[in-house]
Amino acid sequence: DIQMTQSPSTLSASVGDRVTITCRASQSVSSWLAWYQQKPGKAPQLLIYQASTLKDGVPSRFSGSGSGTEFTLTISSLQPDDFATYYCQQYNSYPYTFGQGTKLEIK
Amino acid sequence: QITLKESGPTLVKPTQTLTLTCTFSGFSLSTSGVGVGWIRQSPGKALEWLTHIYWNDDKRYSPSLRSRLTITKDTSKNQVVLTMTNMDPVDTATYYCAHLTPGTFDYWGQGTLVAVSS
Repeated sequence: DIQMTQSPSTLSASVGDRVTITCRASQSVSSWLAWYQQKPGKAPQLLIYQASTLKDGVPSRFSGSGSGTEFTLTISSLQPDDFATYYCQQYNSYPYTFGQGTKLEIK
Repeated sequence: QITLKESGPTLVKPTQTLTLTCTFSGFSLSTSGVGVGWIRQSPGKALEWLTHIYWNDDKRYSPSLRSRLTITKDTSKNQVVLTMTNMDPVDTATYYCAHLTPGTFDYWGQGTLVAVSS
């Protein structure tokens, strides 16, 4: 199985900050990587797929980059609605695997 | 508008079989490229992919749970059914179904919490 490791596990930031979350794969997943946002008690929502393609309707302050084994999710200017937990997921090979999550908290 | 909703028991006993139904609208599982998957999340834990099924009946399973899982579809009813045998307290989780475009889960149900306890 491909292991997905996110860092940091918890991130404290303020509204307006630029933040970056990293996701590392234990082997190459090419660009077959997605990012999800999950708020407490809610289902995850797809933000980005194929490493850098924004899903329709997702604010442009979200961006993704990377390929191979290292990926980043960047939020250019944090908004109050962005405080949530973020997960990466690889779909290069079975079994599909998710990272352990990064909780973005208000500083 | 794509929507999905999970239904099934909220409590099962150890060793019992869990059957969950995902009822969806806004798409057809007879459309090329479309699939439905199941993902679970234990309380306070990360997401775990379980299985999915595509329009052409291609099915994939998590190797660690392969012997316990079955996924089927009923295209006429717009439903996908997940069965998981020999339930254990460690299987206590919120179970989600989601619309799948190759590889990514772009629309999710609200989830259903299933507790396993005697």
